Amino acid sequence: GAGVSQSPRYKVAKRGQDVALRCDPISGHVSLFWYQQALGQGPEFLTYFQNEAQLDKSGLPSDRFFAERPEGSVSTLKIQRTQQEDSAVYLCASSLGGARNEQFFGPGTRLTVL
Amino acid sequence: GQQLNQSPQSMFIQEGEDVSMNCTSSSIFNTWLWYKQDPGEGPVLLIALYKAGELTSNGRLTAQFGITRKDSFLNISASIPSDVGIYFCAGQETGGFKTIFGAGTRLFVKA
Repeated sequence: GAGVSQSPRYKVAKRGQDVALRCDPISGHVSLFWYQQALGQGPEFLTYFQNEAQLDKSGLPSDRFFAERPEGSVSTLKIQRTQQEDSAVYLCASSLGGARNEQFFGPGTRLTVL
Repeated sequence: GQQLNQSPQSMFIQEGEDVSMNCTSSSIFNTWLWYKQDPGEGPVLLIALYKAGELTSNGRLTAQFGITRKDSFLNISASIPSDVGIYFCAGQETGGFKTIFGAGTRLFVKA
């Protein structure tokens, strides 16, 4: 069966550009999470959706980061005016039920800001 | 904010050896999780622990939820080359949506 997919897998942006990262969760999964993983570190929580509702966005590092999941399925993480410190792997995960159910991770999008 | 201290940072072992890694937290967690991440992939859940003192096995892997709820360990017995990867501990607090990850233990296995 299909797992969580993310696109693009790699993105190179010039500083100041806007980027949009897409996540396709496992079909029927209610919960969706975004994480940022810097080189050599563990994933850091960014935001959590339950269906289309964004219940926790406390991990978003600045107001340049915005996430949406308008129909409760596909989600997009948008980063405006990218900075070099935004360079990281952005991971998406989904779970069947609530936040405490097993999370299934996608392969991530590696963002490099030059 | 919450912090997880995971140790060791890396391990170089011979195939067949047993491995132990652990995690401590400044906060009490009600769930401890252990994940493995291979290059270019997302983390995959290995073991989930839900009660203080719980000891759970998954094949050659054994993990325990510390009594204080502030620590956990993962043991791998009789390591094989495919055990190579990065192992992360992670914790969840009561009532929250966040999963907090440690910095990882990088395991290298020599055949």
